[in-house]
Amino acid sequence: IAGITQAPTSQILAAGRRMTLRCTQDMRHNAMYWYRQDLGLGLRLIHYSNTAGTTGKGEVPDGYSVSRANTDDFPLTLASAVPSQTSVYFCASSADRETDTQYFGPGTRLTVL
Amino acid sequence: GQNIDQPTEMTATEGAIVQINCTYQTSGFNGLFWYQQHAGEAPTFLSYNVLDGLEEKGRFSSFLSRSKGYSYLLLKELQMKDSASYLCAYMDSNYQLIWGAGTKLIIKP
Repeated sequence: IAGITQAPTSQILAAGRRMTLRCTQDMRHNAMYWYRQDLGLGLRLIHYSNTAGTTGKGEVPDGYSVSRANTDDFPLTLASAVPSQTSVYFCASSADRETDTQYFGPGTRLTVL
Repeated sequence: GQNIDQPTEMTATEGAIVQINCTYQTSGFNGLFWYQQHAGEAPTFLSYNVLDGLEEKGRFSSFLSRSKGYSYLLLKELQMKDSASYLCAYMDSNYQLIWGAGTKLIIKP
């Protein structure tokens, strides 16, 4: 079934640890995105990628890094997790960044203690 | 700037009609999206408006007025499964989606 998968589904992490959230899509979409969703706030863009090999910073990029080695995968890395990074993380993709609807993965619930 | 507002919560009765409003202020605009998000799940696309007017899609309709910075989502013949959060987002001049905090819709029998 076509779509976006994310792993892990949930994770509890000690502060200071490194963590990579995985995202894979099989729709051959050019653009991919990472958002975080916190209670009472709208989705906030962390990083995005217009196409394989390129990445850009969103609204809240500090403490996060991404890479886009190929079309399908867009991992998000927390180099040294802090409690304020406790959130639900959604990966999304769209055929292109300028005009197309974004489709979301199921999310990763991350708790940093 | 990034300024988008929608009500935090609304309650409606099964079988009725509900209108969820969204207002925004931006210097650059490339369309407005509505998404549905059930608790614990991912947002799913409902509608996209880039021109003024009403777009109808089954029980759901979405309206846009660019001059007023205003959109609404209209849900007809409400069903219990429509209980969810409804997210409004506009696309800015950099093609980034700016999201409202969402409206939690509670449907009562």
